[in-house]
Amino acid sequence: GAVVSQHPSRVICKSGTSVKIECRSLDFQATTMFWYRQFPKQSLMLMATSNEGSKATYEQGVEKDKFLINHASLTLSTLTVTSAHPEDSSFYICLLGTNNEQFFGPGTRLTVL
Amino acid sequence: AQSVTQLGSHVSVSEGALVLLRCNYSSSVPPYLFWYVQYPNQGLQLLLKYTSAATLVKGINGFEAEFKKSETSFHLTKPSAHMSDAAEYFCAVTENTGGFKTIFGAGTRLFVKA
Repeated sequence: GAVVSQHPSRVICKSGTSVKIECRSLDFQATTMFWYRQFPKQSLMLMATSNEGSKATYEQGVEKDKFLINHASLTLSTLTVTSAHPEDSSFYICLLGTNNEQFFGPGTRLTVL
Repeated sequence: AQSVTQLGSHVSVSEGALVLLRCNYSSSVPPYLFWYVQYPNQGLQLLLKYTSAATLVKGINGFEAEFKKSETSFHLTKPSAHMSDAAEYFCAVTENTGGFKTIFGAGTRLFVKA
């Protein structure tokens, strides 16, 4: 299967700062990547669909101006949490692939103080 | 739009006993179905998937699941639980309607008693 990396794996930041999370596919070209968020003891919630070369599609209730997504190439998508607040502390996971071959990144644990 | 329901947020079994984790789905088109396992503070690991081939799917670590269209179910089973099976399990459904999207169930925490 495809190898997917996320960077950083953990980040702690102060409230009000912005944090960029990278999702990189090492051996799979993905025109579409997905970003999920998982709060403690909860399930994964789809935040947005990242489309290479075009704007991301956000799920209802997700602020597009707060969670900036850039799908710069077929192997890289970035999620920037702008002006992060403690309630943004979560586990962020990317997913790429096709409908029957899906590959998750290892996740990024964001803690906002 | 698709949806997934996992019955039982917590399931507790004794070591060596049968594991049954329930998943029901709804989908407007033939779905792809997945079971994932998540250990504390880790990412997701694929256990098995159904992609319209055999209805009984065998996965890793002795797990299997059966796709039952008439019941819109995809329950996960394992004949004999092991202590190392204690984890969070997520059922997921992917629907391809011009672009695919994967939705996850709420998850079921499996406890295994010695």
